[in-house]
Amino acid sequence: GAVVSQHPSRVICKSGTSVKIECRSLDFQATTMFWYRQFPKQSLMLMATSNEGSKATYEQGVEKDKFLINHASLTLSTLTVTSAHPEDSSFYICSARTVKGIDTEAFFGQGTRLTVV
Amino acid sequence: GQNIDQPTEMTATEGAIVQINCTYQTSGFNGLFWYQQHAGEAPTFLSYNVLDGLEEKGRFSSFLSRSKGYSYLLLKELQMKDSASYLCAVSGGYNKLIFGAGTRLAVHP
Repeated sequence: GAVVSQHPSRVICKSGTSVKIECRSLDFQATTMFWYRQFPKQSLMLMATSNEGSKATYEQGVEKDKFLINHASLTLSTLTVTSAHPEDSSFYICSARTVKGIDTEAFFGQGTRLTVV
Repeated sequence: GQNIDQPTEMTATEGAIVQINCTYQTSGFNGLFWYQQHAGEAPTFLSYNVLDGLEEKGRFSSFLSRSKGYSYLLLKELQMKDSASYLCAVSGGYNKLIFGAGTRLAVHP
């Protein structure tokens, strides 16, 4: 199956600093990638949809100036958490979808555990 | 609006069969997915239904009724390693995948 690589897997940063998370589709071109956040024992919450070459579409309640998303190429999307605070500590996961007729499985990166201290 | 409901927790015995239900109300529907997620890991794909009926894949089967907004995941011959969260997700408009809260399944000997 398709592979999505997410980096880093874990990061600890100081409050007020920024952290960049990368998501790469290794063996297919992903015109659309999605960024999710997951708090402990909760499900994945969609943050934004990242479209190659255009601005990301953010879900209601997600601050676009705080969570900067860039989709510079068909294989790379980045999420930058700016001015991080302890409440931003969470598990961030990207996914990319391949569209083959009606088969539109979503492939997930390994996730990034962000801890803001 | 979007609403996807699953039971929060379930327990079952090794070797048994368990059915995890999912009901949904979404603004668009292009298919329903089931994912398995172990703690601290990313979700892994289990099944996909876009037409009504049952899809079988080894020990896992998934059923969909679009008219009822209902799906279930059936796990047979449960193994200890099946202890995980099971996420129901609906593919709606704009290619988005919206997840339910997940069902934590605990398999006991």
